[in-house]
Amino acid sequence: AQKVTQAQTEISVVEKEDVTLDCVYETRDTTYYLFWYKQPPSGELVFLIRRNSFDEQNEISGRYSWNFQKSTSSFNFTITASQVVDSAVYFCALSEARLDSNYQLIWGAGTKLIIKP
Amino acid sequence: NAGVTQTPKFRVLKTGQSMTLLCAQDMNHEYMYWYRQDPGMGLRLIHYSVGEGTTAKGEVPDGYNVSRLKKQNFLLGLESAAPSQTSVYFCASSYSRIGEQYFGPGTRLTVT
Repeated sequence: AQKVTQAQTEISVVEKEDVTLDCVYETRDTTYYLFWYKQPPSGELVFLIRRNSFDEQNEISGRYSWNFQKSTSSFNFTITASQVVDSAVYFCALSEARLDSNYQLIWGAGTKLIIKP
Repeated sequence: NAGVTQTPKFRVLKTGQSMTLLCAQDMNHEYMYWYRQDPGMGLRLIHYSVGEGTTAKGEVPDGYNVSRLKKQNFLLGLESAAPSQTSVYFCASSYSRIGEQYFGPGTRLTVT
């Protein structure tokens, strides 16, 4: 069965520290897509990244980077030199490509990240 | 380019009342979704649509109905509101079934 686990319920760090948010997934499919979304205190959901299962290259976007490792079924998200504006709930999600996958995104429970000034 | 918009932003209902939430997107996306988010939980899919005139049930469809008469609009209806439907409702759209979803700002619904 498909599943996304974000074991860290809440993380609190001091500004400028690096922080990694873990995401572990389960799927039977060989073709699938992984996503990260950010939900700041204002409540909107913001798309951050989409990665397909055939592309294991790490992605870097400014202070954000993502480490995809199929061998451990993980898609971890690192924020370098964290800032107060990074405080949010971060969700990892999985989408399977097979036609009977019910079109659902499988969501993790989210990790609440608190950046203290 | 407004993206995905939702109306209303807030609503308070009494048990048994009905209401409709409107979602509109201007990105010409085929796929649209309604989710609910309860405190401390991730998102749960209520209903979705893969194109104009089509709808399908998601994970938690009971107590809700939807319609997609126009490609850009996706309506969520509550026929007889219950306190268990107190939640934040998000609409989303995507260009394909495996594409990223873009979300509206949410509607906070309280049923007393």
